[in-house]
Amino acid sequence: DADVTQTPRNRITKTGKRIMLECSQTKGHDRMYWYRQDPGLGLQLIYYSFDVKDINKGEISDGYSVSRQAQAKFSLSLESAIPNQTALYFCATSGPFATDTQYFGPGTRLTVL
Amino acid sequence: AQSVTQLDSQVPVFEEAPVELRCNYSSSVSVYLFWYVQYPNQGLQLLLKYLSGSTLVESINGFEAEFNKSQTSFHLRKPSVHISDTAEYFCAVSESGGSYIPTFGRGTSLIVHP
Repeated sequence: DADVTQTPRNRITKTGKRIMLECSQTKGHDRMYWYRQDPGLGLQLIYYSFDVKDINKGEISDGYSVSRQAQAKFSLSLESAIPNQTALYFCATSGPFATDTQYFGPGTRLTVL
Repeated sequence: AQSVTQLDSQVPVFEEAPVELRCNYSSSVSVYLFWYVQYPNQGLQLLLKYLSGSTLVESINGFEAEFNKSQTSFHLRKPSVHISDTAEYFCAVSESGGSYIPTFGRGTSLIVHP
């Protein structure tokens, strides 16, 4: 089984709709992250969580919110989706050190019409 | 604050040719350096990383990268590429202090032609 799973894998929605992307990990790590990938822009950090009670905004958090339901679960919400949120979204988890590898989920491709 | 620059957005190459993907970083403290690979329709996965010791690090599939502190670079090389190496490659840096969250470069798309 994969270390990091994301649901759904693909989603098409309309402007103004609320969307939730879910992430689960089995690595037992406290740290979890949500990234957005756009062509040519690489990965941009949306939110990150150092543990269940410690959630922080990343560089592009406007228009997004998150919930850390448990050590293993971290969900990302778009309260009112807009077309420029069309992108590939990745969840990741890692240990607490700078030397630690990040483990990524397979991604969710979101299209907002 | 740390930053990463991947100098090429796309690198086309023929099968069995050598390739170099360039990565430069900026930081005022000690760093740890990573290369991640993203195959089509997949998430990123670690290819190799430099933590300390020998400045040349290798992956299991023939890639290698060399940490050059004076030039603040961590270029990725492979002497002979395969079609299956076609993917997006991301360089990342973590600093020895602070939050330990890595910064990623914008990625280099390696396209291997037959």
